[in-house]
Amino acid sequence: AQSVTQLDSQVPVFEEAPVELRCNYSSSVSVYLFWYVQYPNQGLQLLLKYLSGSTLVKGINGFEAEFNKSQTSFHLRKPSVHISDTAEYFCAVSDETSYDKVIFGPGTSLSVIP
Amino acid sequence: GAVVSQHPSWVICKSGTSVKIECRSLDFQATTMFWYRQFPKQSLMLMATSNEGSKATYEQGVEKDKFLINHASLTLSTLTVTSAHPEDSSFYICRALRDRGPNEQFFGPGTRLTVL
Repeated sequence: AQSVTQLDSQVPVFEEAPVELRCNYSSSVSVYLFWYVQYPNQGLQLLLKYLSGSTLVKGINGFEAEFNKSQTSFHLRKPSVHISDTAEYFCAVSDETSYDKVIFGPGTSLSVIP
Repeated sequence: GAVVSQHPSWVICKSGTSVKIECRSLDFQATTMFWYRQFPKQSLMLMATSNEGSKATYEQGVEKDKFLINHASLTLSTLTVTSAHPEDSSFYICRALRDRGPNEQFFGPGTRLTVL
């Protein structure tokens, strides 16, 4: 069975500083990995996804993530955050045998401080 | 891009009433839809998988008689919370599959249910 861990439940960071949100997963088969952002009282928006190929994935709003198979990680990074990046971020995983079932991590609340 | 809508976006009801939430795929046919529940400050928990024309598959611990799911057409799935109670207050989100594969999934904007 798959699982997703997001070790940091809350991450405060000053505006224009870099940020990394950590995500680790466990799976016995090849995985697909996703990062979603959720603004207050809204649905989910896909930031980026890793399906195959290059391990460095670039997404929207200046975010990127790197898939590290040996460390079973998919950390999300942004070199300079803005106030508007304040939101909840979810890492998620599915796999090629059950691509339709997506398992979400517990989420990381990013607060950007002016 | 593919669009999924939910109606209503928010609803407040009295305890004991039933509430129906609709999930529609606006520009594609979705053979499979998923329903998630999200409590405040928590992650999304899969409740059930809905396939067009067949009975929904519920996750362990989800009461099928309380959360009725109907996927009557390729563009519409409904979740009915029967005899709602305050503990059912939550954010309900649907996800629709346009086709097979990880590229073909789209989330609805969510429905906020508050039971008084």
